[in-house]
Amino acid sequence: QVQLVESGGGVVQPGRSLRLSCAASGFTFSSSGMHWVRQAPGKGLEWVAVIWYDGSNKYYADSVKGRFTISRDNSKNTLYLQMNSLRAEDTAVYYCARDMWVRGPSDYWGQGTLVTVSS
Amino acid sequence: DIQMTQSPSSLSASVGDRVTITCRASQGISNYLAWFQQKPGKAPKSLIYAASSLQSGVPSKFSGSGSGTDFTLTISSLQPEDFATYFCQQYNTYPWTFGQGTKVQIK
Repeated sequence: QVQLVESGGGVVQPGRSLRLSCAASGFTFSSSGMHWVRQAPGKGLEWVAVIWYDGSNKYYADSVKGRFTISRDNSKNTLYLQMNSLRAEDTAVYYCARDMWVRGPSDYWGQGTLVTVSS
Repeated sequence: DIQMTQSPSSLSASVGDRVTITCRASQGISNYLAWFQQKPGKAPKSLIYAASSLQSGVPSKFSGSGSGTDFTLTISSLQPEDFATYFCQQYNTYPWTFGQGTKVQIK
């Protein structure tokens, strides 16, 4: 069965960096586009970034462009989100999610990892 | 960016009620519309994609319709496990955008 397991969250000071990981299993990871979506405490869902199945295309929300980098290692079935210059407004649960097809909707989501940016 | 507006923001309903949630896009998105259900402390669960196609394993009491800018999610007979927050999302254009959510509460 499809499993997505995020890790790497925690408490970090403003301006510092953090790298999130999403370990995938139960499907052919190298054939699926992958997303990061976040949810601030008590708020709605905000799409963060996508990377195509082969890493050839990446797109970002304006709110993270230039600070966050999405990447993947298909040999390790793992998705990453490098987050630099973190701000208080980046505090959220971060979910990874799988594309059903290229530029398609997401079907499976991980359980999320909490990132708290605070001094 | 395409703005997605859901209504209502919240509703109270009884077990067995038929419930309809609407989602409006700020510009046409064809049928590139998905619906998700989220329960407190849990990840979103995909219900519907392509405006009206049910995800595998999702009960047929859920249905979706619409195209262009106006979409609806209907729950035909509300059950206790359906009390949750529902989000629409457009995947026509990056950045993908979500509606603000509709919280379905017990009356």
